[in-house]
Amino acid sequence: DIVMTQSPDSLAVSLGERATINCKSSQSVLYSSNDKNYLAWYQQKPGQPPKLLIYWASSRESGVPDRFSGSGSGTDFTLTISSLQAEDVAVYYCQQYYTTPYTFGQGTKLEI
Amino acid sequence: QVQLVESGGDLVRPGGSLRLSCAASGFTFSDFYMSWIRQAPGKGLEWVSSISSSSTYTNYADSVKGRFTISRDNAKNSLYLQMNSLRAEDTGVYYCARHIAASAWFDYWGQGALVTVSS
Repeated sequence: DIVMTQSPDSLAVSLGERATINCKSSQSVLYSSNDKNYLAWYQQKPGQPPKLLIYWASSRESGVPDRFSGSGSGTDFTLTISSLQAEDVAVYYCQQYYTTPYTFGQGTKLEI
Repeated sequence: QVQLVESGGDLVRPGGSLRLSCAASGFTFSDFYMSWIRQAPGKGLEWVSSISSSSTYTNYADSVKGRFTISRDNAKNSLYLQMNSLRAEDTGVYYCARHIAASAWFDYWGQGALVTVSS
């Protein structure tokens, strides 16, 4: 199984400041035939289901504010929130969909 | 708009069975793969099972293989998860989610159904 490891486990950032969450996979999730990274990011607020933010490691889902961006390739990925807003308080998960079992990181709790 | 609504969650004793349902609307259900993903109380996300658009392919996490069965009825726009031989560690919120292909992200999730396995 591909193990996804996020860092840090929790993060406190001031309003308006940048937040950075890292995700590392135990093996590459880059598919050489199409040069795509099979990596997604989700946001989960208390009592709600996860919400898709990013797919293909860097493609923003429709309707997601442009302060959210994803980067990285192979085994190392980053989710960046450029200017933290109060509504961004949540737990963030990375997930690989390169192969089953699809696996998630343990989550990063983002606080103000 | 896309809607996924789970039902069937309940309190069940260890060794018991339960069937979850997920009613889909707002999209062409038969065009999409579907999955079940669960979340134990206060814990992270765990993919449980997936099924292809025409039910040809199914996949399971090792933790549920042989105990859980995923199925769908495209005529009824519904997804199911039959859970047998339930264990305490199966307790959690079960979400249904759709994806456009086998190797694709989960773009819509239901609100979840709570399954509690306890004596």
